[in-house]
Amino acid sequence: RKEVEQDPGPFNVPEGATVAFNCTYSNSASQSFFWYRQDCRKEPKLLMSVYSSGNEDGRFTAQLNRASQYISLLIRDSKLSDSATYLCAVPLRGYNKLIFGAGTRLAVHP
Amino acid sequence: NAGVTQTPKFQVLKTGQSMTLQCAQDMNHEYMSWYRQDPGMGLRLIHYSVGAGITDQGEVPNGYNVSRSTTEDFPLRLLSAAPSQTSVYFCASSSTRIVGEQYFGPGTRLTVT
Repeated sequence: RKEVEQDPGPFNVPEGATVAFNCTYSNSASQSFFWYRQDCRKEPKLLMSVYSSGNEDGRFTAQLNRASQYISLLIRDSKLSDSATYLCAVPLRGYNKLIFGAGTRLAVHP
Repeated sequence: NAGVTQTPKFQVLKTGQSMTLQCAQDMNHEYMSWYRQDPGMGLRLIHYSVGAGITDQGEVPNGYNVSRSTTEDFPLRLLSAAPSQTSVYFCASSSTRIVGEQYFGPGTRLTVT
């Protein structure tokens, strides 16, 4: 099993829709989790950090489910500008290694 | 602040050639890392460093060398380029306290023929 797994998508949603992606991780001892956004042919940029049960920033909410070992990213009221690939990342416990999932592609259409 | 800078932006190499990808950051970050990104594979960690003089291997280190002589610079050397090393390479940096919150450079697109 991979350390971090994501559904590659694409998720095609209309403007205004609510969409959620999941990211599963294999190490039950992981304590922190990160969502990055990557636009086409650009570098990844940190979107949100999750250190406890969840985090919220405007239209974006990240929730952690430790029992099932996944984190989710919820985007409300989707905008065209939300179209991007969303990468989940988990540090390996005890190591300075950040492991990324393959990413989930979101396409928001008018 | 320029953040994380990478040079070159694009590079074409022939099989067997060597080259160095440059990475520099001006945020006084202790932690620096190199990733490669291939379609459908996400970002894979090549090498990382937690400070000047300290480097370690990531998930896919074979065929690459790194060194960290200063806090600011973290070059990645391809010893003998192979077509399998065709990829987009990203350098990133962060505080060692929060390795998960990394700042990425704009990337280098490398093609090996």
